[in-house]
Amino acid sequence: DAEITQSPRHKITETGRQVTLACHQTWNHNNMFWYRQDLGHGLRLIHYSYGVQDTNKGEVSDGYSVSRSNTEDLPLTLESAASSQTSVYFCATSRGWPEKLFFGSGTQLSVL
Amino acid sequence: GENVEQHPSTLSVQEGDSAVIKCTYSDSASNYFPWYKQELGKRPQLIIDIRSNVGEKKDQRIAVTLNKTAKHFSLHITETQPEDSAVYFCAAVPDDKIIFGKGTRLHILP
Repeated sequence: DAEITQSPRHKITETGRQVTLACHQTWNHNNMFWYRQDLGHGLRLIHYSYGVQDTNKGEVSDGYSVSRSNTEDLPLTLESAASSQTSVYFCATSRGWPEKLFFGSGTQLSVL
Repeated sequence: GENVEQHPSTLSVQEGDSAVIKCTYSDSASNYFPWYKQELGKRPQLIIDIRSNVGEKKDQRIAVTLNKTAKHFSLHITETQPEDSAVYFCAAVPDDKIIFGKGTRLHILP
């Protein structure tokens, strides 16, 4: 079955380190999104992409970057991890726009 | 940019009663309003959505209403059941991205 896979499920890192979270989908959806989820803030958009070589900043993009070299993957990189980036990160895709989002299972990131 | 306000942040209802969650949005260009349910430890999943050319939509026990003039939309759950316990997020889409509300934690009391 087509799906969206995030890895790792859990990650602990130290402040200042570079971290990359993976998101891979087999639906062939053009649209991919990264959200972070924090208590009291809901789901906040970090970056999104509507196709290969296309990337856009969301509400909370500072300290994060993405690149889209193929349809299937949208890795999220924290250039220099900070404790404020401790969160649950969700990747999502959609077939069209605006349409239903399909979420991955999430990555719990702890920055110590 | 778009701002979505969601109320209440927590809601407790007796099993079998109805639950209502309300959202307001700021950008009149918003034209798509989805609702997502997130059970504890799980990923968010779409439960219902409505587009700006429709005032109400129903799917079994859930319904969504939209008032474009007032810029608010609501989720209604009737005959609540234990499996309705979750966090619910409303969202609005003004252009090329979805903006979510902060969520409502719904508790179904036995």
